[in-house]
Amino acid sequence: DSGVTQTPKHLITATGQRVTLRCSPRSGDLSVYWYQQSLDQGLQFLIQYYNGEERAKGNILERFSAQQFPDLHSELNLSSLELGDSALYFCASSVDGDYTDTQYFGPGTRLTVL
Amino acid sequence: GQQLNQSPQSMFIQEGEDVSMNCTSSSIFNTWLWYKQDPGEGPVLLIALYKAGELTSNGRLTAQFGITRKDSFLNISASIPSDVGIYFCAGPKGAGSYQLTFGKGTKLSVIP
Repeated sequence: DSGVTQTPKHLITATGQRVTLRCSPRSGDLSVYWYQQSLDQGLQFLIQYYNGEERAKGNILERFSAQQFPDLHSELNLSSLELGDSALYFCASSVDGDYTDTQYFGPGTRLTVL
Repeated sequence: GQQLNQSPQSMFIQEGEDVSMNCTSSSIFNTWLWYKQDPGEGPVLLIALYKAGELTSNGRLTAQFGITRKDSFLNISASIPSDVGIYFCAGPKGAGSYQLTFGKGTKLSVIP
């Protein structure tokens, strides 16, 4: 158990819909990262937050957005869903977001878009 | 952009055998990370390497940071069934970057 929690574990929805994935970082970690894992693209970095502020952006689509709240939990919002958005979405956290920090991954949310 | 190429893509080995896998890049990396992902779980960091030529062990696992900074190797000795999983190499996208680039992984199967 990494100490990072993600809900829900599974999510099945239809194209065009909007979903919210939630992540609670490890106690004391200020930085949260979101990754997408699909069979063809592998693990892709989406976005990073540090203490409530966006710090780095990766391959995140405009239809996706995220935020980190004052209690440090984070949400990833996916809208206008397409079949190709079906993937595992992981949240990771680290102490202060430095690139040498160890990132601890949550168990992931499996999103299926039908 | 920076890409990490892992090989082999998959391997089947007998329990007790040693395993070797590697990761290469056309770009220089200043940090190499090796993660393992069990089915249904998130990746777990196994070993972190920060200096060219560095050789680091974690139990039966040994990883090396290549001298050219463009490759890294992971060896597992005396494999056991719980070594099954996908092994990923990863590194920061650029100097001082917070973004990790991951390889596509090596899927390891251990035959008892």
